[in-house]
Amino acid sequence: AQSVTQPDIHITVSEGASLELRCNYSYGATPYLFWYVQSPGQGLQLLLKYFSGDTLVQGIKGFEAEFKRSQSSFNLRKPSVHWSDAAEYFCAVGAGYSTLTFGKGTMLLVSP
Amino acid sequence: GAVVSQHPSRVICKSGTSVKIECRSLDFQATTMFWYRQFPKQSLMLMATSNEGSKATYEQGVEKDKFLINHASLTLSTLTVTSAHPEDSSFYICSAPTVAHEQYFGPGTRLTVT
Repeated sequence: AQSVTQPDIHITVSEGASLELRCNYSYGATPYLFWYVQSPGQGLQLLLKYFSGDTLVQGIKGFEAEFKRSQSSFNLRKPSVHWSDAAEYFCAVGAGYSTLTFGKGTMLLVSP
Repeated sequence: GAVVSQHPSRVICKSGTSVKIECRSLDFQATTMFWYRQFPKQSLMLMATSNEGSKATYEQGVEKDKFLINHASLTLSTLTVTSAHPEDSSFYICSAPTVAHEQYFGPGTRLTVT
């Protein structure tokens, strides 16, 4: 069965500092990996995705993520965090057109 | 990116009544849509897969007769919560995949059953 682990429930980062959110997955085949962001009371917005090819993928809002097959990881990074980035971030794994399995999310808090 | 809408965004209903939530793909067609439920400070839990022209597929533990799903067209799926009870209060989110294998989510519907 597929699963996603986001080991950090909360992370606090100072504005302007770099960010890395961790995601580890378990999947029986080549995974499709996604990062979504959710603001309070809102739906999910797709930040970026990995299907194949270059293991470093660029997304919206200055985010990037690196797929490391040997570590079963797909960590999300941003070089300089803005206050507007405060939100909940979800990592998800799926197989193309099928349902997604989500991690439990990491709440990002940005301090001044 | 693709746009998915949900209506209503918030609804309050009395216990025992039914509530219908609509999910529309605005600029693309979706033969499949997904319905999720999210409890406060928790992740999304898949409830069912809505299939245009056929019956929905429900996840284990989800009552088919309570959560009625109808995929009326290639751009519309509806979720009806029948005989709602306070424990059905939650945030319901739909999503639709595109041919590019991306899932786009609606803004969610906050259901409160009093």
